[in-house]
Amino acid sequence: QITLKESGPTLVKPTQTLTLTCTFSGFSLSTSGVGVGWIRQPPGKALEWLALIYWDDDKRYSPSLKSRLTITKDTSKNQVVLTMTNMDPVDTATYYCARPLRRAFDIWGQGTMVTVSS
Amino acid sequence: EIVLTQSPGTLSLSPGERATLSCRASQSVSSSYLAWYQQKPGQAPRLLIYGASSRATGIPDRFSGSGSGTDFTLTISRLEPEDFAVYYCQQYGSSPRFGGGTKVEIK
Repeated sequence: QITLKESGPTLVKPTQTLTLTCTFSGFSLSTSGVGVGWIRQPPGKALEWLALIYWDDDKRYSPSLKSRLTITKDTSKNQVVLTMTNMDPVDTATYYCARPLRRAFDIWGQGTMVTVSS
Repeated sequence: EIVLTQSPGTLSLSPGERATLSCRASQSVSSSYLAWYQQKPGQAPRLLIYGASSRATGIPDRFSGSGSGTDFTLTISRLEPEDFAVYYCQQYGSSPRFGGGTKVEIK
């Protein structure tokens, strides 16, 4: 069974750096073709893709957020970490990690709500 | 960067009716790269369709996807009570992108 779970702070202050961890099971990021992505959703709004990392350490970022994002993987721990710098209240959202398969995100975590407020 | 525009924004229908949702891309998208998701309140999105027309595991056959180039469609042949939700299309190119969503609500 494949599962993903997001963890991190629920509240961050403006200008701080957000660090989120996706811990997954049922697949390995050392397997060819495998990746993990991050997607967010502000309250009442649409989904927004943020970043992807693949088994070969290929990394992709949303063009509009690229300067603020870093995605890394720890294959031995089955974890993917996303950092987002200079947080702003508009970054308040539910953050999801998901596994891409066949050019779609087939398995999603439950999401973690992050509020940016002083 | 490809922009996906979904229409209508809201679709008001009754159970048993047919739902037709549109997703239009600002430039041509490979059919292999087009997916549809369903999202209910408080839940993560669920993959319905990948490759424009292939149903994901466990998805009922009342859901079907079609289209090519810049115009794609998700059709729900007969709405069940559990189908009232928000639906998103997504293109999975080098920079994945989601559409703005269509809400299917009970009339």
